[in-house]
Amino acid sequence: ETGVTQSPTHLIKTRGQQVTLRCSSQSGHNTVSWYQQALGQGPQFIFQYYREEENGRGNFPPRFSGLQFPNYSSELNVNALELDDSALYLCASSPGQRNTGELFFGEGSRLTVL
Amino acid sequence: GENVEQHPSTLSVQEGDSAVIKCTYSDSASNYFPWYKQELGKRPQLIIDIRSNVGEKKDQRIAVTLNKTAKHFSLHITETQPEDSAVYFCAASITNAGKSTFGDGTTLTVKP
Repeated sequence: ETGVTQSPTHLIKTRGQQVTLRCSSQSGHNTVSWYQQALGQGPQFIFQYYREEENGRGNFPPRFSGLQFPNYSSELNVNALELDDSALYLCASSPGQRNTGELFFGEGSRLTVL
Repeated sequence: GENVEQHPSTLSVQEGDSAVIKCTYSDSASNYFPWYKQELGKRPQLIIDIRSNVGEKKDQRIAVTLNKTAKHFSLHITETQPEDSAVYFCAASITNAGKSTFGDGTTLTVKP
């Protein structure tokens, strides 16, 4: 069984640039959630995708957007990067419909905005 | 929306002692309460969870208790070992609501 994989693992961008982060869900999982984890804090919910449709969104501005593909992999796009966007971005997949319980996290993509 | 508060932020214990981490939540509709362990540089991983129809759950050295009336739940680790050292996060969610709300974490250090 393949776990959740994310790419890239680390990246550095400058303020104003755009970034795309990628996530492959665990085999058999059709729901993907994205979380932002700032240093010393818990993960903050960005949004969730279920069968290619957004299913809930946290308190993040519209410059945070996402996609889910037919194979249930997902992308997180952030436009007009700000210094405060520096964080670990975690993707989590889960089986079944919407949020049924346990989240299976990837190793994360660490974004640094200079 | 849901708000989860977690205490303490840091906890240091001697090997063999017990450790207790507490969380409170605000939304009485929340019905699923997981605990995740995150080792340095690693992904968060579920260690135990509890649903709102259960008051206590145990798995070997770890246990979780839930008080729905008071809206708080706790993680108990007995006979702590150095490999228990990590950051622990509690979370609360509503099944099918699409969102889990996490506490800010507790850094547990177990001294040999």
